[in-house]
Amino acid sequence: GNSVTQMEGPVTLSEEAFLTINCTYTATGYPSLFWYVQYPGEGLQLLLKATKADDKGSNKGFEATYRKETTSFHLEKGSVQVSDSAVYFCALSPTPGTASKLTFGTGTRLQVTL
Amino acid sequence: DGGITQSPKYLFRKEGQNVTLSCEQNLNHDAMYWYRQDPGQGLRLIYYSQIVNDFQKGDIAEGYSVSREKKESFPLTVTSAQKNPTAFYLCASSTYDREKLSNYGYTFGSGTRLTVV
Repeated sequence: GNSVTQMEGPVTLSEEAFLTINCTYTATGYPSLFWYVQYPGEGLQLLLKATKADDKGSNKGFEATYRKETTSFHLEKGSVQVSDSAVYFCALSPTPGTASKLTFGTGTRLQVTL
Repeated sequence: DGGITQSPKYLFRKEGQNVTLSCEQNLNHDAMYWYRQDPGQGLRLIYYSQIVNDFQKGDIAEGYSVSREKKESFPLTVTSAQKNPTAFYLCASSTYDREKLSNYGYTFGSGTRLTVV
């Protein structure tokens, strides 16, 4: 079946540090890949997405590249801010062209300190 | 603005009671979903519906029921058969483009935190 594996948290960084949160997936066919962010007490917000191999999703300084050869979609940001503290979820949608179900990773908590 | 509205934000349930969580969307999305979130376990799918008057069980449907009488609404009932209902519940909706074969991902509500007292 489909699965998403994320690095365990929490990840604690100082402000302006470089961020990487690893995400690998297992799926058949050509999944779409997503990163969602959840701030305390809130729902999930779509951060970025990529729908085919070698696509790069980007938003608010975050980037992730769809690597089919390594089945990965690692999230990166060059300089984190305290306001980036949240839980980040990697997810995949396995079937292009249908309203298919998302499979989520377990989430990685990021804490950014001054 | 379009979006998903979940209500109430906080809900308390006594042992043996059924409670219903509301989810309404004005995004004209075809599909709607209910997820349960527990600490350290990510999101688990309870039920989903791809079209009005049709829905399917997700991974943890036991003790829950849903209906999809209108495109905009997908209420979730937590029944007394659900033995451990304390959790954060998230509703979501999605759309897709068949021509481009592209899934436009989910839009999530702000969640309902259910506590058994």
